[in-house]
Amino acid sequence: ETGVTQSPTHLIKTRGQQVTLRCSSQSGHNTVSWYQQALGQGPQFIFQYYREEENGRGNFPPRFSGLQFPNYSSELNVNALELDDSALYLCASSSPGAWRETQYFGPGTRLLVL
Amino acid sequence: SQELEQSPQSLIVQEGKNLTINCTSSKTLYGLYWYKQKYGEGLIFLMMLQKGGEEKSHEKITAKLDEKKQQSSLHITASQPSHAGIYLCGADSDGDTGRRALTFGSGTRLQVQP
Repeated sequence: ETGVTQSPTHLIKTRGQQVTLRCSSQSGHNTVSWYQQALGQGPQFIFQYYREEENGRGNFPPRFSGLQFPNYSSELNVNALELDDSALYLCASSSPGAWRETQYFGPGTRLLVL
Repeated sequence: SQELEQSPQSLIVQEGKNLTINCTSSKTLYGLYWYKQKYGEGLIFLMMLQKGGEEKSHEKITAKLDEKKQQSSLHITASQPSHAGIYLCGADSDGDTGRRALTFGSGTRLQVQP
């Protein structure tokens, strides 16, 4: 069974640029959630995708957007990058159907905005 | 919105000592998850608790859920250097809809000195 994978592992961008982060869910999982973790803080929920549709969103502006593909992999896109977007971005997947199924996290993508 | 407060924020113990980390919620806990994170890496799932009074153990780590107090505790017995890291509690932030977004505490940083 393959776990959650994310790419790239590290990324450096400048303010105003756009970035795309990628996530492959664990085998058999159809729900993907994205979180932002600033240094010294717990992860903050960005949004969740279930069967290719957004299924809930946290308190993040519209310049944070996402996609989920038929194979359940997902992308997080951030436009007009700001310095405060520097963080570890975590993707988590969970299995279908079960109530309160555990979310399994990938290793994260560390984004630095200069 | 739900908030999770973890205590202590950081902890340094001698190898072999026991320790307890607490997680207190501002709202009713429907599902409580404990994760461990190595610095700058992804989250590793430890345990999930769903019912009041529930207690689970894995190797030397035990977690309990006190539904009335809206609190969970994580206890490590005979700590080892391998237990070092950041322990995060997370809770289902949408009790009835099944949306699997998690709200996290800010984490407890554990160092174990040989």
